[in-house]
Amino acid sequence: AQTVTQSQPEMSVQEAETVTLSCTYDTSESNYYLFWYKQPPSRQMILVIRQEAYKQQNATENRFSVNFQKAAKSFSLKISDSQLGDTAMYFCAFMKHGSSGSRLTFGEGTQLTVNP
Amino acid sequence: DSGVTQTPKHLITATGQRVTLRCSPRSGDLSVYWYQQSLDQGLQFLIQYYNGEERAKGNILERFSAQQFPDLHSELNLSSLELGDSALYFCASSVANGLSGANVLTFGAGSRLTVL
Repeated sequence: AQTVTQSQPEMSVQEAETVTLSCTYDTSESNYYLFWYKQPPSRQMILVIRQEAYKQQNATENRFSVNFQKAAKSFSLKISDSQLGDTAMYFCAFMKHGSSGSRLTFGEGTQLTVNP
Repeated sequence: DSGVTQTPKHLITATGQRVTLRCSPRSGDLSVYWYQQSLDQGLQFLIQYYNGEERAKGNILERFSAQQFPDLHSELNLSSLELGDSALYFCASSVANGLSGANVLTFGAGSRLTVL
């Protein structure tokens, strides 16, 4: 079974600064996908970024980028130029590739607060 | 609007009762997933359907059941409700069945169930 661990329950950052959220996972699979989802106060789950494990290049989406270290089983999210609207709970998630379906295994979440 | 529609948004009921949560996936999506988000257990995968058939099962209680209909909408039935069933229930949908490629899930806004 896969597990996802987010060791930072809460973080805060000043507007316009950069923050990094940590995530580690445990799996014996070689093919898988990793995701970051955000959940703002509205409770909607919104995809931030995804990474295919077979790709060495780190994924980027505008101000969001990841540092994917496959050997270390680490998948951190960097948010640059933080904005007030980035305040949300951030979940790291793992998805196994294959015939057993596409369930996402989520970490416990990190509550990020962006301060003005 | 994510394109995934969940009803009702809020539901308050008593212990021992039965409720049905409904989900309409995004147009073109064949897979539907149900997740439960509670304070003590985080986000837990319940069940996945693909084109009307059960595809994967997670930590779904025997008191809970789900199905996906020919028009691809899905219903999650929760019976003999207990206080601990109070949670936010998310439906998500995706195009694929998980056999290949990164299967990106789009989440609905959730149905908040309160059991008194």
